[in-house]
Amino acid sequence: DAKTTQPPSMDCAEGRAANLPCNHSTISGNEYVYWYRQIHSQGPQYIIHGLKNNETNEMASLIITEDRKSSTLILPHATLRDTAVYYCIGSGNEKLTFGTGTRLTIIP
Amino acid sequence: GAVVSQHPSRVICKSGTSVKIECRSLDFQATTMFWYRQFPKQSLMLMATSNEGSKATYEQGVEKDKFLINHASLTLSTLTVTSAHPEDSSFYICSATLGRGGDEQFFGPGTRLTVL
Repeated sequence: DAKTTQPPSMDCAEGRAANLPCNHSTISGNEYVYWYRQIHSQGPQYIIHGLKNNETNEMASLIITEDRKSSTLILPHATLRDTAVYYCIGSGNEKLTFGTGTRLTIIP
Repeated sequence: GAVVSQHPSRVICKSGTSVKIECRSLDFQATTMFWYRQFPKQSLMLMATSNEGSKATYEQGVEKDKFLINHASLTLSTLTVTSAHPEDSSFYICSATLGRGGDEQFFGPGTRLTVL
């Protein structure tokens, strides 16, 4: 799995867009970028994943740079329920290696 | 989205006993299931990968004789912690995937094990 680097914590005001960065400079061509989040004492929740192109679903958008060395997860209108630890993972097989993630706190 | 359940959600047992945790994919057939362990204030650590009808593949440092995994059907995998000790107390989480390349994993809600 590709090594990823994320800031340990971020704050975002409720209602604003939350932009979570992730560096994955060693990602290989066949490795996807996955985003999961974990709310306290629950199992992780899948958010989105992509290979090269930007992706959008009902939860979030994923912007991947052209060189694939970094990406940004965007939660368009953050709510208090989005407070969680967000994990960015690079993987080309079925295995996921969880790092320490970014603890996102949504501020009322 | 796909739903994965775990049972029980929490269990307390005495040292030396065995505990079985079930993981079920409720609305899809999971070719592959994974088992993770998470200690307080730490990230998830993959313990093993389980494919239906075959032996599980354990990660380095995980004792296969202590953590028995059975994946008898495409919707059920079980993890048995044998002869549990207090240091096995942890949050155990399973996930399931369709097994196609690039598929996302769907996680269960986790099982909190406390060994007294």
